[in-house]
Amino acid sequence: GENVEQHPSTLSVQEGDSAVIKCTYSDSASNYFPWYKQELGKGPQLIIDIRSNVGEKKDQRIAVTLNKTAKHFSLHITETQPEDSAVYFCAAGGSQGNLIFGKGTKLSVKP
Amino acid sequence: GAGVSQSPRYKVAKRGQDVALRCDPISGHVSLFWYQQALGQGPEFLTYFQNEAQLDKSGLPSDRFFAERPEGSVSTLKIQRTQQEDSAVYLCASSPFTGSSGNTIYFGEGSWLTVV
Repeated sequence: GENVEQHPSTLSVQEGDSAVIKCTYSDSASNYFPWYKQELGKGPQLIIDIRSNVGEKKDQRIAVTLNKTAKHFSLHITETQPEDSAVYFCAAGGSQGNLIFGKGTKLSVKP
Repeated sequence: GAGVSQSPRYKVAKRGQDVALRCDPISGHVSLFWYQQALGQGPEFLTYFQNEAQLDKSGLPSDRFFAERPEGSVSTLKIQRTQQEDSAVYLCASSPFTGSSGNTIYFGEGSWLTVV
């Protein structure tokens, strides 16, 4: 079945710097790659997603890139702010129809 | 409501007790999913409903776990004879589309279960 690896597990940046989180997946049939932000005590919130017919997608300070050949996708956050501090999860839409999640990255943005 | 609603938010159960967790999906959403999230881990798929039909229950860890959605709206996840390893956050999610591959799903806040 599908397997999603996510790195790094923790990431600390200074306010204003950029943050990059990377994921790899195993199932070449996967065609949907969402990113979720989860704050303490809350459910995952979708922040951006990309489908396999697109290589890059941007939404203000957030961008996601996808390399289907290498089975890599990445989340880029520019001009980080303290409120960006949270756990971020990547996921891949499995061939069986459900989402497979990575183990998460705890992002800390220091003011 | 505006989002996926789950209750109870927090539940402490003694080992061996049965628990029932409720999910109210976004109104009109066809698809409903249950995920289990252990501390420090990503959500793991448990089961999927399309309307009232349970199309995939491959993620349910044992026959102590049972889910239903009898009228295609509210869903209940039931755990019988709870064990300590059942302690986790149980997340419900819904989508206006069928299946989840390629479609956005929206999560609730989760039900935090602690088995003591």
